[in-house]
Amino acid sequence: GAVVSQHPSWVICKSGTSVKIECRSLDFQATTMFWYRQFPKQSLMLMATSNEGSKATYEQGVEKDKFLINHASLTLSTLTVTSAHPEDSSFYICSALPALRGEQYFGPGTRLTVT
Amino acid sequence: EDQVTQSPEALRLQEGESSSLNCSYTVSGLRGLFWYRQDPGKGPEFLFTLYSAGEEKEKERLKATLTKKESFLHITAPKPEDSATYLCAVENQGGKLIFGQGTELSVKP
Repeated sequence: GAVVSQHPSWVICKSGTSVKIECRSLDFQATTMFWYRQFPKQSLMLMATSNEGSKATYEQGVEKDKFLINHASLTLSTLTVTSAHPEDSSFYICSALPALRGEQYFGPGTRLTVT
Repeated sequence: EDQVTQSPEALRLQEGESSSLNCSYTVSGLRGLFWYRQDPGKGPEFLFTLYSAGEEKEKERLKATLTKKESFLHITAPKPEDSATYLCAVENQGGKLIFGQGTELSVKP
């Protein structure tokens, strides 16, 4: 139980284009989902917290107009990287928080490379 | 400022050689301390949650303990398949997870 999927698992895009990443909780409902970014040999950094049906809360230093987050249902959140640049290349990981449980369950991650 | 520090950064063990990983933390109102395992190119896999000092949790060769300032992840008689990066995270009063840098464990046969 508590499985989270992400799609795509990896994506290569050209500078200036936009990329959408999906995060789904497969066997539970999640009122809250989180988006993290991880650079090589570094730990996870929280980008934003997404609550179903409301606007996402972004961490300091994260551009909300660049990283668009939509949490349209209890099982799906999306992250769109708009006008991507090479410095946005990273490993993006989502997590979902089941109701009545304290631990976040993480997706397998999406490797984004911007050329 | 909420902070999590893990040590050592990297640990190399021989198969069967037991050891411990450390996670020191400062947080405003600890709601929970979490251990995750992360394999290269994968997302973190949940291992344990600890909520109060003195609490212990076990799973196969792993045992996690918690004090008011730190947590230990003890690995007993590790096997090569235990090789991974182990992440410690604390949840603060705002409900956010703050992660440490991780300990990269390598177990050689």
